[in-house]
Amino acid sequence: NAGVTQTPKFRVLKTGQSMTLLCAQDMNHEYMYWYRQDPGMGLRLIHYSVGEGTTAKGEVPDGYNVSRLKKQNFLLGLESAAPSQTSVYFCASSYSGHNSNQPQHFGDGTRLSIL
Amino acid sequence: SQQGEEDPQALSIQEGENATMNCSYKTSINNLQWYRQNSGRGLVHLILIRSNEREKHSGRLRVTLDTSKKSSSLLITASRAADTASYFCATPSGYSTLTFGKGTMLLVSP
Repeated sequence: NAGVTQTPKFRVLKTGQSMTLLCAQDMNHEYMYWYRQDPGMGLRLIHYSVGEGTTAKGEVPDGYNVSRLKKQNFLLGLESAAPSQTSVYFCASSYSGHNSNQPQHFGDGTRLSIL
Repeated sequence: SQQGEEDPQALSIQEGENATMNCSYKTSINNLQWYRQNSGRGLVHLILIRSNEREKHSGRLRVTLDTSKKSSSLLITASRAADTASYFCATPSGYSTLTFGKGTMLLVSP
């Protein structure tokens, strides 16, 4: 049981390049989330999904797009990378929404540097 | 918008001592969660306390919740070097999402 797996673990991009971060979970969770973590800022929600085929914006969605074509996968895309997107990106999943008291399960992150 | 705020930002103790971290939040909640993050790793869920609970235990962890003061505390008893990590509180924001605080960095020295 791998839990939440993020690929790649590290990546360096040049400004303007594009890339996709992949998150996969094997727990049959309905809800999936993408966060970024920056020093002194805590975790900030980028986008999330409450089920296959659905996506919604979080606190800091600009510059990112997401897709949830399969229940187990949640993709985060950067169409034109900017230095401000240098961060550590975390994916998480949960069985259902949090007002039903479900914890989130996190991957180990993707460390992304934009030069 | 930041809902939970941890205090202190950093805490340094010796092995065997107790560590207490606090979390304050702004709006009414139906549960509050605590997570741990080891260096270079993702967050790991520690404990969830519901709004109708005042105290909850899990091993060496004790969590309290005071809804009248909109605050929670996490106590780690008999700390070990392996407890060195950042600790975050998280509160529901809307139906489907959590808002995390900025965390308390705990250093436990041998």
